[in-house]
Amino acid sequence: AQSVTQLGSHVSVSEGALVLLRCNYSSSVPPYLFWYVQYPNQGLQLLLKYTSAATLVKGINGFEAEFKKSETSFHLTKPSAHMSDAAEYFCAVSEGDSSYKLIFGSGTRLLVRP
Amino acid sequence: EAQVTQNPRYLITVTGKKLTVTCSQNMNHEYMSWYRQDPGLGLRQIYYSMNVEVTDKGDVPEGYKVSRKEKRNFPLILESPSPNQTSLYFCASSFGDRGISGAQYFGPGTRLTVL
Repeated sequence: AQSVTQLGSHVSVSEGALVLLRCNYSSSVPPYLFWYVQYPNQGLQLLLKYTSAATLVKGINGFEAEFKKSETSFHLTKPSAHMSDAAEYFCAVSEGDSSYKLIFGSGTRLLVRP
Repeated sequence: EAQVTQNPRYLITVTGKKLTVTCSQNMNHEYMSWYRQDPGLGLRQIYYSMNVEVTDKGDVPEGYKVSRKEKRNFPLILESPSPNQTSLYFCASSFGDRGISGAQYFGPGTRLTVL
């Protein structure tokens, strides 16, 4: 069965610092992996996705993530945090073309200090 | 404007009083899904639909019903709500000819309180 683990329910960084949000997954088949962002009082918005093409995926707002099969990880990074990046971030996994189920992690709230 | 709409946005009700949360999308998406969001648990899938008249259970379907009579609409029905169904509910849609390989578009959410 699929599962997603996000390490750290809260991450705090200073403005301009590196953002690193961790995601590890388990899947019995090659997965599709996603990062979504949720701003306060809003629905979720796709940041980026991995669907078996390039392992380094670039998304919106300067975010990127690297799929590492050997580590079963899909960590989200951004070189320099902005105040506007403060939000909750969710990693999610789907078991490829044959699956219509999407499993989300518990989320990481990113706080950006001035 | 491409969007997923949900109604109502906020609802307070009492135990056992049947309710329906509507969801509609204008993007001609085949796939639609309902999630509930609870603190510390992320989003959990309730039901999903691959196309008209085709639905299946997600991870937490107990106490919920859905129907997909038209492509654009996917209502969530709580026949006899209970306090443990107090949650934030999201509807989402996407193209679905190859499983979940693309972006899902989420509605704004419905905050439900069951007393």
